[in-house]
Amino acid sequence: SQTIHQWPATLVQPVGSPLSLECTVEGTSNPNLYWYRQAAGRGLQLLFYSVGIGQISSEVPQNLSASRPQDRQFILSSKKLLLSDSGFYLCAWSVLQDNSPLHFGNGTRLTVT
Amino acid sequence: GQNIDQPTEMTATEGAIVQINCTYQTSGFNGLFWYQQHAGEAPTFLSYNVLDGLEEKGRFSSFLSRSKGYSYLLLKELQMKDSASYLCAPILNDYKLSFGAGTTVTVRA
Repeated sequence: SQTIHQWPATLVQPVGSPLSLECTVEGTSNPNLYWYRQAAGRGLQLLFYSVGIGQISSEVPQNLSASRPQDRQFILSSKKLLLSDSGFYLCAWSVLQDNSPLHFGNGTRLTVT
Repeated sequence: GQNIDQPTEMTATEGAIVQINCTYQTSGFNGLFWYQQHAGEAPTFLSYNVLDGLEEKGRFSSFLSRSKGYSYLLLKELQMKDSASYLCAPILNDYKLSFGAGTTVTVRA
């Protein structure tokens, strides 16, 4: 069966510090991979998605970036965090079919202080 | 682009029925998902509709009208554990899901 791992679960970082969140998927090949952010009391905002190694599409211009160095690994990064980067970050995967739901990791709660 | 509207909050009593409406406008459409999200947790998949009509899954049902850009999620025999946020998510042409802001359902005893 397929599983998705996302870490860390919680993170407190000062403004201006770098960020690296990692997500890995097991049990499937060539998944679509996604990074979403959810600000407190708000909906899910799609940040990045990837349909293959090295293929990253950005949905919202900001100080975040994403990379996919391996088929089942997706990394979200920032060189300098802003206060507005605080939120609940969710990694998700799906297969390339219309009726394939997104499967989410447990999320990372990031607080920028 | 996409524009997804669903009510912000709904309250119902245990054992009752609640219907959460969702209207959407998207530049492409390939079906619609409903997700449940408990506070502080990740969303979990509830249902999928691509054709017009009703899909039933136990106590939860979801309806879709493509021509009207309208869907609803029906929760029957409400239980306390159903207190959560429910997210409407249309699928765009390139397999990206857009999520509504969610409807927070509070179930009272």
